[in-house]
Amino acid sequence: DIVMTQSPFFLPVTLGEPASISCRSSQSLLHSIGSHFLSWYLQRPGQSPQLLIYRGSNRASGVPDRFSGSGAGTDFTLKISKLEAEDVGVYYCMQGLQYPWTFGQGTKVEIK
Amino acid sequence: EVQLVESGGGLVQPGGSLRLSCAASGFTFSNFWMTWVRLLPGKGLEWVVNINPDESQKYSVDSGRFTVSRDNAQNLLYLQMHSLRAEDTAVYFCAKHGPESFDNWGQGTLVTVSP
Repeated sequence: DIVMTQSPFFLPVTLGEPASISCRSSQSLLHSIGSHFLSWYLQRPGQSPQLLIYRGSNRASGVPDRFSGSGAGTDFTLKISKLEAEDVGVYYCMQGLQYPWTFGQGTKVEIK
Repeated sequence: EVQLVESGGGLVQPGGSLRLSCAASGFTFSNFWMTWVRLLPGKGLEWVVNINPDESQKYSVDSGRFTVSRDNAQNLLYLQMHSLRAEDTAVYFCAKHGPESFDNWGQGTLVTVSP
């Protein structure tokens, strides 16, 4: 199985400041079509998860442009340019390259 | 608007079985891959099963215990679970596929496995 490792586990951030979450996979997520099969999700408190980024760097419909995804191979990053109160929650990365699809353990973002 | 509504969760004894349902609306259900993902308490999200539109492809984290099916005429997705264990206790979400991702999620249904 591909193991997904996120860091940090916990991320306190001041409102208006940037935030960055790292996700590493145990093997490359590059597909032969040239895209990385890596997605990011946010689960706000009491809500269902929401897709933020797919194929490594593509923002999902309706996702604010303060969210961006980058990376290649086995190293990926989710960046929030300026944290807003509604961004609080647990962030997960997930690989969709090989079954079983696997998630990272999650990064909890809260207001400092 | 895409809507996914799960049902069928509840309390079940260890070793028991349960079938979850997901009612879909707001999109052409028969055109999309669908999935079940669960939120394990204190552990995060875990992918459970995928199914393609015509049921010719199915993938499972545990094919001996979790099977997925769908009724495209009724816009329904199912998850059949057998030999349930305490560690299967979770909130189960159905979700619609985007590109190797899940772009719409239901509100979830809680399954508790306990004597």
